[in-house]
Amino acid sequence: GAVVSQHPSWVICKSGTSVKIECRSLDFQATTMFWYRQFPKQSLMLMATSNEGSKATYEQGVEKDKFLINHASLTLSTLTVTSAHPEDSSFYICSAIYSNQPQHFGDGTRLSIL
Amino acid sequence: DAKTTQPTSMDCAEGRAANLPCNHSTISGNEYVYWYRQIHSQGPQYIIHGLKNNETNEMASLIITEDRKSSTLILPHATLRDTAVYYCIAYNTGTASKLTFGTGTRLQVTL
Repeated sequence: GAVVSQHPSWVICKSGTSVKIECRSLDFQATTMFWYRQFPKQSLMLMATSNEGSKATYEQGVEKDKFLINHASLTLSTLTVTSAHPEDSSFYICSAIYSNQPQHFGDGTRLSIL
Repeated sequence: DAKTTQPTSMDCAEGRAANLPCNHSTISGNEYVYWYRQIHSQGPQYIIHGLKNNETNEMASLIITEDRKSSTLILPHATLRDTAVYYCIAYNTGTASKLTFGTGTRLQVTL
């Protein structure tokens, strides 16, 4: 079945650094990729929608200059958390979709900012 | 997308069928019912989806009422590995729009 790979699976870094998370669709070309964030004991919240070759569409309240999304190919999207602070600590999850097939999700990246 | 309502939590004995209900009384004609589950500290896993006919795959069965206002996900023989949060989502596949996750049902499978 469809596989979405996310890397790294967890990262710990100091406040003020930038962190890049990769999301790859391994066996299909993703027309659209999505980035979600999940805080402890809460549900997934969509951050942005990314289409290959175009600018990402951000949800209300998500700072596009802080959460940089690049979707340079049909199999790779990256999320960069710039100048990360402790409040950015969360579980970040990507998903990918092809045509009208079900969205498939990566296994998430747990980000901890000290 | 239409709002869905699910019980907060359910328990099921291992080996028994787990029946997870979902209400989606405002679902529109072009919205499918999708089910995902999230095992702790992992990304959501697609389970099954349907429009109006009942569906079955290797993971589960989906029963949708004739008026499409509710549905039930059935795990025929629950195992401990089925312990997860199960999300029922009304979704329009035609627009490749976002999935809106509610709070889901936390299914605890016990010995």
